[in-house]
Amino acid sequence: LAKTTQPISMDSYEGQEVNITCSHNNIATNDYITWYQQFPSQGPRFIIQGYKTKVTNEVASLFIPADRKSSTLSLPRVSLSDTAVYYCLGGRRDSNYQLIWGAGTKLIIKP
Amino acid sequence: DTEVTQTPKHLVMGMTNKKSLKCEQHMGHRAMYWYKQKAKKPPELMFVYSYEKLSINESVPSRFSPECPNSSLLNLHLHALQPEDSALYLCASSQALVRTGGLVGSYEQYFGPGTRLTVT
Repeated sequence: LAKTTQPISMDSYEGQEVNITCSHNNIATNDYITWYQQFPSQGPRFIIQGYKTKVTNEVASLFIPADRKSSTLSLPRVSLSDTAVYYCLGGRRDSNYQLIWGAGTKLIIKP
Repeated sequence: DTEVTQTPKHLVMGMTNKKSLKCEQHMGHRAMYWYKQKAKKPPELMFVYSYEKLSINESVPSRFSPECPNSSLLNLHLHALQPEDSALYLCASSQALVRTGGLVGSYEQYFGPGTRLTVT
């Protein structure tokens, strides 16, 4: 059964680096791995997307090992405003046309 | 302009009502999506339009009827809903539906703020 799995929740403190890992056991050669951030009562917002190795943009880094069955979202020096739910999108449904959303990781940043 | 707008923000309707949700984007995106999101759950894909044609219907009940009048607009017509249909309805758009050899979701999606629907 295809699954995209991530921790339900994480806590950290302002100024720390936060790493959230996602496993996507049914990922195929051409599949991209994508992460979204969602604040309460808002739509998800794209953070980063990658295919292999490492991708970095102005807000995050994405690390993807060679087998691509997992990925790690890295948020450098988090602030209180990074408190949100983070969704990993990777792996494909058995119907074979749609990437699977993880259940989301609730990240709480403390002062 | 990288914004997807949705109206209304909130909607309360009875089980016999007919209402519509509206979504608009002006980014020239050719794929548009409707998602349903329940509390503490990820978005669930409902419908996808690509180049104004319905490409995907995730076996959604017929009481939900999507419409794409043009490349910038997406509607979701609601009729005879049930209380369990209460949720946040999200519209999204992306440059195209899939990357070459890829899957739905392979392009960055831009989401609207959603319509909070309550069915009484």
